[in-house]
Amino acid sequence: EVQLVESGGGLVQPGGSLRLSCAASRFTFSSYWMHWVRQAPGKGLVWVSRINSDGSSTSYADSVKGRFTISRDNAKNTLYLQMNSLRAEDTAVYYCARVGIKGFCGVGSCLRFDYWGQGTLVTVSS
Amino acid sequence: DIQMTQSPSSVSASVGDRVTITCRASQGISNWLAWYQQKPGKAPKLLIYAASSLQSGVPSRFSGSGSGTDFTLTITSLQPEDFATYYCQQANSFPLTFGGGTKVESK
Repeated sequence: EVQLVESGGGLVQPGGSLRLSCAASRFTFSSYWMHWVRQAPGKGLVWVSRINSDGSSTSYADSVKGRFTISRDNAKNTLYLQMNSLRAEDTAVYYCARVGIKGFCGVGSCLRFDYWGQGTLVTVSS
Repeated sequence: DIQMTQSPSSVSASVGDRVTITCRASQGISNWLAWYQQKPGKAPKLLIYAASSLQSGVPSRFSGSGSGTDFTLTITSLQPEDFATYYCQQANSFPLTFGGGTKVESK
């Protein structure tokens, strides 16, 4: 079965940086667009960022634009989220998620997340 | 941004009950809507996509309907494993947005 395993979370001070990783296995990682979604403690789900299958196109939520960078290494089957200038409001569990179909997935019904990682907790606090 | 409003925010129900959750989009999103189930400490699980298509492996007691701005998730006969929080998500445009969640609790 498809597996997504996040790592890299932890406690960081405001203004600090962290890089999250999402190791993918048991599917053709290079064929799928990937996303990051976060969830603050006790709160709902918030979309963060997405990247296309070859890494040439990305988009971000306004709340993280200019501070976070999504990337991928298809040779290593790994998705990344570089988080800089972290704020207390970035505290959340971060999930990587796979879209529902192979290939182009810019809009529409493919933009469903059929597999999620277990999440990694990022805590921004002094 | 498209706002997704779920109601109710919580519902108390018993095993065997029929449960209906609604999701309203702030503008039309065709049928680009998905539903997820999330249990405490776990990742969300996809139930329904394209408003009414059942994800593979999801029990048929779950169903979705609607188009445009108004959508519904129905659980026809609630099972013990269905007590969880449910989220809708629009797939019409970026940023993708989720509803605030509906917690299904035991009465």
